[in-house]
Amino acid sequence: GESVGLHLPTLSVQEGDNSIINCAYSNSASDYFIWYKQESGKGPQFIIDIRSNMDKRQGQRVTVLLNKTVKHLSLQIAATQPGDSAVYFCAENTLNFGNEKLTFGTGTRLTIIP
Amino acid sequence: GAGVSQTPSNKVTEKGKYVELRCDPISGHTALYWYRQSLGQGPEFLIYFQGTGAADDSGLPNDRFFAVRPEGSVSTLKIQRTERGDSAVYLCASSPYSRADTQYFGPGTRLTVL
Repeated sequence: GESVGLHLPTLSVQEGDNSIINCAYSNSASDYFIWYKQESGKGPQFIIDIRSNMDKRQGQRVTVLLNKTVKHLSLQIAATQPGDSAVYFCAENTLNFGNEKLTFGTGTRLTIIP
Repeated sequence: GAGVSQTPSNKVTEKGKYVELRCDPISGHTALYWYRQSLGQGPEFLIYFQGTGAADDSGLPNDRFFAVRPEGSVSTLKIQRTERGDSAVYLCASSPYSRADTQYFGPGTRLTVL
């Protein structure tokens, strides 16, 4: 079946360094992608999204890259801080009316080493 | 403004009992969602409300699970004859209009069935 998945389940990064979290998706009909951050004991928190007509979008310290050719999504976090430690999920959706469905991947645990 | 809230934050029950989990969405959000999240996994879709009606309940695992949203705001997820396998974090999310919008999550209710 169609699925969203992550290449790396855990990632440790030195504070101040940049981190990259990767995600693969297989549903070619997906046209909207979202990254969520989930801290322990909390619900997923929206970080950044990107639509399929774009290949890059930047936020504050975060950049999402979309490669539709290989169905790959990545989240780059610049100058990581201890507060960035969390589990990060990519999620995909379709924007076709009546077919929208948000599907989450398994998640990557990011640990920032002080 | 206030985000999505869920009560209780924790619920411990015995196998076979009935439980109700409550969700207060962001004020004015038409769309409301319930997800279930097992340890180490991404959220799994259960049901989607558009206003008062369940527009998509395809994620409900069986007929022991039921959800209502009688006035188009607060929603209650009801689980009958709970089983140990129902233990998980139940997340609620809301979005302004539809599933094509960004979904904002609550903190979740951790359900433990003994």
